[in-house]
Amino acid sequence: DQQVKQNSPSLSVQEGRISILNCDYTNSMFDYFLWYKKYPAEGPTFLISISSIKDKNEDGRFTVFLNKSAKHLSLHIVPSQPGDSAVYFCAANLNSGGGADGLTFGKGTHLIIQP
Amino acid sequence: DAGVTQSPTHLIKTRGQQVTLRCSPKSGHDTVSWYQQALGQGPQFIFQYYEEEERQRGNFPDRFSGHQFPNYSSELNVNALLLGDSALYLCASSWRGKNTIYFGEGSWLTVV
Repeated sequence: DQQVKQNSPSLSVQEGRISILNCDYTNSMFDYFLWYKKYPAEGPTFLISISSIKDKNEDGRFTVFLNKSAKHLSLHIVPSQPGDSAVYFCAANLNSGGGADGLTFGKGTHLIIQP
Repeated sequence: DAGVTQSPTHLIKTRGQQVTLRCSPKSGHDTVSWYQQALGQGPQFIFQYYEEEERQRGNFPDRFSGHQFPNYSSELNVNALLLGDSALYLCASSWRGKNTIYFGEGSWLTVV
């Protein structure tokens, strides 16, 4: 049973527009969420994270929104650039107090930025 | 500042053989985790090492084992390889008490 779901395997967005990537989770014990970006033949690169005590975190062009009641988070990229074309993974963490435990990942969304 | 480094980058093994993958964490990090990523899937957590002990384990059989050395580097060992073990194996490091983990570029394992 997938505890973290990314229901869109791919998303195509025009350059300069907003990209919105969605993620749903089922485990209400998750309390920390992260987004990673992955290019082919490279490891995932950390993008942005959010704690469950917040509903929004912003870093430059990237903003993550968390809706705990809906168990839903989204990543907004504004404006979208060609270099943003990659696979984006949503991940969730059960923080037992000892720091980063094993992350649970979604299957990823392949974002394609069209010129 | 070196990031997470892994070796080898690619390897091919035969069913039934054993493999060892290596990882050096990012400078200043003391916790190492290993993940398996099959094609078309997200990374799956194998286990985590801190202070040279396995602290947490995902849903992987005992054929998967590991080790952490005093310098925080780590090894992942897989015995009795199966075709289904073919995947990208990712090492990730973090500082204990911090939530964000950083990944290496991975080791591609093909079992034939």
